[in-house]
Amino acid sequence: EVVLTQSPDFQSVTPKEKVTITCRASQNIVSNLHWYQQKPDQSPKLLIRFASQSFSGAPSRFSGSGSGTDFTLTIDGLEAEDAATYYCHQSSYFPQTFGQGTKVEIK
Amino acid sequence: QAQLVESGGAVVQPGRSLRLSCAASGFTFSSYATHWVRQAPGKGLEWVALILHDGSNRYYVDSVKGRFTISRDNPNKTSYLQMNSLRAEDTAVYYCVREGTVAGDAFDIWGPGTMVIVSS
Repeated sequence: EVVLTQSPDFQSVTPKEKVTITCRASQNIVSNLHWYQQKPDQSPKLLIRFASQSFSGAPSRFSGSGSGTDFTLTIDGLEAEDAATYYCHQSSYFPQTFGQGTKVEIK
Repeated sequence: QAQLVESGGAVVQPGRSLRLSCAASGFTFSSYATHWVRQAPGKGLEWVALILHDGSNRYYVDSVKGRFTISRDNPNKTSYLQMNSLRAEDTAVYYCVREGTVAGDAFDIWGPGTMVIVSS
């Protein structure tokens, strides 16, 4: 099973700051890594597919990078509405797996 | 507008069965693979099962193999998750999700979820 480890687990950030979340895979997953945002009591929403492709409808301040085992989600200019938990997800191998999540709080 | 809506969640006793349904609308259901993903209370996301667009292949996480069965009815635009021999650790919100157009794609549409509680 591919283990995805996100860091940090929690981040408290001031609006307009840049946020970086990393996701490390236990083996090479090429670019089959996706990012989601989940707000309290809501379903997750897709932000980034295949490591760096922005999903239609996701705000442009969200971007992704990486390949192989190391990936990054960046929020360039945090807004209050970005308070949420962020998950990475790999689709290279079965079982598909998710990272443990990174909770972003607004200061 | 493409959407998925789950139903069938309930409170059930350990060892009993439950069938979840996922109704699709607003897109060509038969062209997309569908998955089930669950989230235990206060926990992260866990992938459960996948069925390909034509039902030709199915995959499961080890913890549900032999107990859960994923299926689909393309003419009626519905996916199902039959859950047998339920355990307390199956308690979770179950999401039906659509896989995007490319093999191994991200989950681009999520339903609102349906709650399953396994308790005596």
